[in-house]
Amino acid sequence: ETGVTQSPTHLIKTRGQQVTLRCSSQSGHNTVSWYQQALGQGPQFIFQYYREEENGRGNFPPRFSGLQFPNYSSELNVNALELDDSALYLCASSPVAGQGDTEAFFGQGTRLTVV
Amino acid sequence: DQQVKQNSPSLSVQEGRISILNCDYTNSMFDYFLWYKKYPAEGPTFLISISSIKDKNEDGRFTVFLNKSAKHLSLHIVPSQPGDSAVYFCAATDYRGSTLGRLYFGRGTQLTVWP
Repeated sequence: ETGVTQSPTHLIKTRGQQVTLRCSSQSGHNTVSWYQQALGQGPQFIFQYYREEENGRGNFPPRFSGLQFPNYSSELNVNALELDDSALYLCASSPVAGQGDTEAFFGQGTRLTVV
Repeated sequence: DQQVKQNSPSLSVQEGRISILNCDYTNSMFDYFLWYKKYPAEGPTFLISISSIKDKNEDGRFTVFLNKSAKHLSLHIVPSQPGDSAVYFCAATDYRGSTLGRLYFGRGTQLTVWP
């Protein structure tokens, strides 16, 4: 059973560019969430995908968008990058519903720097 | 609006002693709480969780206590070890036994365990 993997691990982009971050969820998990963690802060919820549909969204502008694929892997796309988008982006997957106590399993994150 | 608060940014404890990390929340709809540990350059790692139907949950050296009337939870680590040195995040959600949704995180507490 593999864990949650994210790619790339580090990325430097220029303001105004677009970026795509990728996540492979843990085997058997059908829910993927994305979080942004700025320096000195806790992770902030961007959105969640459940069975390829968006299932909740945090307070992020529309230039943050996502996809979930049939194999439950996911992408986070950010358009028109701003300096404040520099952060650690975390992907988390969760198992199927109704299994009692549960948790979100996090990947190692993608460190995005916008210059 | 920070719905989950960790008011102590740092905690320093001697090896072998008890570490107590605190967390407060404001949203009475939260019914499931999780603690994560995070090392630099890694994603958060799940430690322990507790449902609102319980007031205590133990897993080895880790015990989480929940006081719903005070909207307060705490994580106890006994005995503390140098390897426990990390940032600890408290998270909360409205779970209701279905797919784990959005997690609301605190800003974290840096625990340092010294020999």
